[in-house]
Amino acid sequence: AQKITQTQPGMFVQEKEAVTLDCTYDTSDQSYGLFWYKQPSSGEMIFLIYQGSYDEQNATEGRYSLNFQKARKSANLVISASQLGDSAMYFCAMREGWDNAGNMLTFGGGTRLMVKP
Amino acid sequence: DVKVTQSSRYLVKRTGEKVFLECVQDMDHENMFWYRQDPGLGLRLIYFSYDVKMKEKGDIPEGYSVSREKKERFSLILESASTNQTSMYLCATIRGEAKNIQYFGAGTRLSVL
Repeated sequence: AQKITQTQPGMFVQEKEAVTLDCTYDTSDQSYGLFWYKQPSSGEMIFLIYQGSYDEQNATEGRYSLNFQKARKSANLVISASQLGDSAMYFCAMREGWDNAGNMLTFGGGTRLMVKP
Repeated sequence: DVKVTQSSRYLVKRTGEKVFLECVQDMDHENMFWYRQDPGLGLRLIYFSYDVKMKEKGDIPEGYSVSREKKERFSLILESASTNQTSMYLCATIRGEAKNIQYFGAGTRLSVL
């Protein structure tokens, strides 16, 4: 089974509007971390936001927020006031378990976001 | 800021060639990673290293090896490149903090002809 599922291969959003990128995950661990990365056409993966499984509040970083619904195992990324520079691939990733000594991440297949002027 | 440098942005190699992809980080981090990225599949872990001369296989190690002789450098080796290894390769390291966020290099786009 897929550990990280991103069901939206591509999305359009109008500039200045908000957009939600979906991410669901599958784990039996109680301790885990969820990450979102942005990959512009230049190729570099840029860290956006992190949510720990024990964090009681949803993470926020500027225009990015993470809508964490633990019971539903979802960790959707919300981008407010979209900008043209937000056009990119977005990846959701998970780090599982206390004994993950290597801190390995599992990634979803990604969502391509296109912001329309 | 964490700086992760991959030696080449683009590489074109022929089938059967030995290929070296180099990654250097300047933050004295212990953990380093190599991923490959293919459309629709996201990033898949090839190998990682948690110290000099220490390495562990990831999800797709077949056809690859790695070398970590110095802490700052982690090399990915394709012993005999094949066309199915045409891909984007990304190196990452972790900044030492509770979140253990992975920081990535700019990637190397490898084409094997």
